[in-house]
Amino acid sequence: KAGVTQTPRYLIKTRGQQVTLSCSPISGHRSVSWYQQTPGQGLQFLFEYFSETQRNKGNFPGRFSGRQFSNSRSEMNVSTLELGDSALYLCASSLGQSTQYFGPGTRLTVL
Amino acid sequence: GESVGLHLPTLSVQEGDNSIINCAYSNSASDYFIWYKQESGKGPQFIIDIRSNMDKRQGQRVTVLLNKTVKHLSLQIAATQPGDSAVYFCAEHSPGGNAGNMLTFGGGTRLMVKP
Repeated sequence: KAGVTQTPRYLIKTRGQQVTLSCSPISGHRSVSWYQQTPGQGLQFLFEYFSETQRNKGNFPGRFSGRQFSNSRSEMNVSTLELGDSALYLCASSLGQSTQYFGPGTRLTVL
Repeated sequence: GESVGLHLPTLSVQEGDNSIINCAYSNSASDYFIWYKQESGKGPQFIIDIRSNMDKRQGQRVTVLLNKTVKHLSLQIAATQPGDSAVYFCAEHSPGGNAGNMLTFGGGTRLMVKP
């Protein structure tokens, strides 16, 4: 079974731009969660989608948003990028409320 | 497993020795706990998990111990190998109002295995 895939793997943007990251979960997994990883803050939960509905949301500003499609693939969007948004963005999938399996991440650099 | 920014706690062990990585968790209502391993440039990799109604679980070369009284979790790696060198994270799952799937991660511990 293929693992979680994320595209793109690397991205460089400038302040004020917006970005969309994509995640394809493990086949059959309906829950997709997104996390931000930085050296200063560690791994922090952004949001979770299940059956196209946002089920949980972390403590991030409204510039961070996401969605899930009927095939469980998910995208997250960050608008009006700030330097502090530079991070590794990780997507994890699970069957429902069970162990999450992570993708390789998208490394976003904001200049 | 607490850390401050880049200054992750580091555990350095000799190849072949056993390693013990510790983690303190915060929510007494958390219902399961997971250990992840993260190698440089990769996403976290699932190692082992344990439900809150258990106090010990064993996998291949790994054992997780849960002490709910003091909210402490540990990961024991037997016969540590160079390939075990990575950052290890504990994560706790707290049941939410929407039965969601949010994990709260510890700061991580860097394991270095000396050949």
